[in-house]
Parts: sequence; C-alpha cells; structure tokens
Amino acid sequence: EIMLIQSPATLSLSPGERATLSCRAVLSVSNSLAWYQQKPGQSPRLLIYDASNRATGIPARFSGSGSGTDFTLTINNLEPEDSAVYYCQQRSRWPPVYTFGQGTKLEIK
Amino acid sequence: QVTLDESGPALVKPTETLTLTCTFSGFSLTTAGVRVAWIRQPPGKALEWLARIDWDDDKFYSPSLKTRLTLSRDTSKNQVVLTMTDMNPVDTATYYCVRAAPTTGGNYFDPWGRGTLVTVSS
Repeated sequence: EIMLIQSPATLSLSPGERATLSCRAVLSVSNSLAWYQQKPGQSPRLLIYDASNRATGIPARFSGSGSGTDFTLTINNLEPEDSAVYYCQQRSRWPPVYTFGQGTKLEIK
Repeated sequence: QVTLDESGPALVKPTETLTLTCTFSGFSLTTAGVRVAWIRQPPGKALEWLARIDWDDDKFYSPSLKTRLTLSRDTSKNQVVLTMTDMNPVDTATYYCVRAAPTTGGNYFDPWGRGTLVTVSS
C-alpha cells in the first residue's frame, strides 16, 4: 500500500483568502490522485481526479496540481461553505488497492 | 441519476458477522467498466477502503481485512452485499457504498451513498 501524508492537519483562513493543501505519497503514483471534500454530517464528494481534472459541477475556484509524489489542492477566494475536511486518495495499479490520506480540516472564519 | 443506498443493522455484538446491502440505481453492474466499492469511516477518523466488485464479478479486498470480508452481488436486484466476520468495537464506523467512476478507469469514487453507521457493542 502506498501511504499518503496530508498537511497541514488543520488550516484556518478567512473568506476571500486562498487555501493550499498538500498531499505527499511515499512512492510515485504518477498523476493518479484524487481529492474529496467532506462537510460535517455529509458523505465525501469527488472534487479533483487525475491530479488536476475537476469533477462535474465543481467550481473553478478548486484546482489541483502535481505528479509523482507531491500534490496540491488550491482553493481560491474562500467561501464559508468551503469549511470541510479534504482527503486525497490514490489507487495502486495491480492488484487494485485504494488508500486515503488522513485529511486536512479547513476552517473558514 | 446514479444513487446508492446502504442498509443493514445499526448495532452488532462483538464476534458477530455484519451484513450490509447496497442497493443502487442509474447504472448496471453488468455493464463493462462498472465497479462498486465499500469504504468505511470510524467516527472522527479518516476514510478506509474495504473492497470492490466489478462488472465481470472480479472481487478485490483490502489486504489488512481480506480474511474477514466477502462481497457478493445480485444483478437482478441491483444489489451488492458486504459481509464482515468477527466484528470488533474498532469496526464501529460509517460504512459507505460507492461507485468507482467508470470515466476514470475505476480509480476514483463518485458518487457516494449516504452511509450507514454501524456500532459494535455488547
């Protein structure tokens, strides 16, 4: 299994600011990485796949970048509704085994 | 519209076997490239992938849990069933049924069911 390490654990920012979340893989995963958003009491929602592609209906304020072992989720012009825990996820090629990072909690104050 | 809905007991006792059913709509598990998976999340903790079943009935399990997990499907009912044996209090979690998005080669999960909370306690 390829471990994913997310940082920071918690991020507190104000509306209108930019959030930068990091996900590091212990081994290269090429660009096979996704980001999910989980708001309190809700199921996770796919935001970004293949490192930089936005999922259907995701605003352009959300963007992903990176390849190999280092990935970033950037959220521009933060809104209060962006308060959530964000997870990164990858899939090992074969056999398929999926792993998630431990999450970054984003607080918008 | 693709939807998935989990059902099963809210409470199980230690050492018992958990059986969860995922009933889905908006797609068929017999269509090439379609995959359904289970993921769990202990309260306040991170997500953990458990297992995946494919359109051709291939099954894949988490290496750390594979001795306890079994997947099956009923394509006529659009259902996937997960069983987990020898339940322990550390297995207390919300269990999600998800589709592995076919447009991504099954690499990622979209959409997710609402999840069902299972508590393991005597």
